[in-house]
Amino acid sequence: EVQLEESGGGLAQPGRSLRLSCTASGFSFGDYGMNWFRQAPGKGLEWVGFIRNRAYGGTTDYAASVRGRFTISRDDSKSIAYLQMNSLKTEDTAVYYCTRDPRVVLAARGAYFDYWGQGTLVTVSS
Amino acid sequence: DIQMTQSPSSLSASVGDRVTITCRASQSISTYLNWYQQRPGKAPKLLIYAASSLQSGVPSRFSGSGSGTDFTLTISSLQPEDFATYYCQQSYGTPPLTFGGGTKVEIK
Repeated sequence: EVQLEESGGGLAQPGRSLRLSCTASGFSFGDYGMNWFRQAPGKGLEWVGFIRNRAYGGTTDYAASVRGRFTISRDDSKSIAYLQMNSLKTEDTAVYYCTRDPRVVLAARGAYFDYWGQGTLVTVSS
Repeated sequence: DIQMTQSPSSLSASVGDRVTITCRASQSISTYLNWYQQRPGKAPKLLIYAASSLQSGVPSRFSGSGSGTDFTLTISSLQPEDFATYYCQQSYGTPPLTFGGGTKVEIK
């Protein structure tokens, strides 16, 4: 059974850092691209960024709102994807989800997300 | 960025009703359109991908159609467990992936 579990959320002050983890099981993690999304309280869904699988270079891309502050990485030996969040802002307060794109392809075009973690809440406040 | 506009933003319906939700893209996205259901306090769940392909395990009362800029999600006979918020998501102009604002389906 495919499972994704986020961890690492919590309270952080503006300007500080947090690292979220997404632990995967039930599938060959290294074969798949992974994405992060977020949802501010009472709001809609926002894409944060993605990381391709190693076969496609493990390259990353990010939403403009987080580019330069957030970094996605992966450890295929542990089946974990990470979201390093630096220079946090109050507007980063949200539930953060990791997801799997089931396509084993290079192109981001056509992506969809068949498995989601339960989410982890990040609160940025002084 | 491609903007996605859903309508209505909310609706009230009864069990057994046929429900249609629309999603419009700010430019043509071919059929790179997905639909998700989100129940309160839960993660989104994939219903439809590539505009009309039903995700494995999703009941057949859910269907999707459309191409270009206009898309619809139809629930043929609303069930109690279908009361939730529905989001469309485009993956044509990506990055960034973008979502519609959501449609909340409530009990009449």
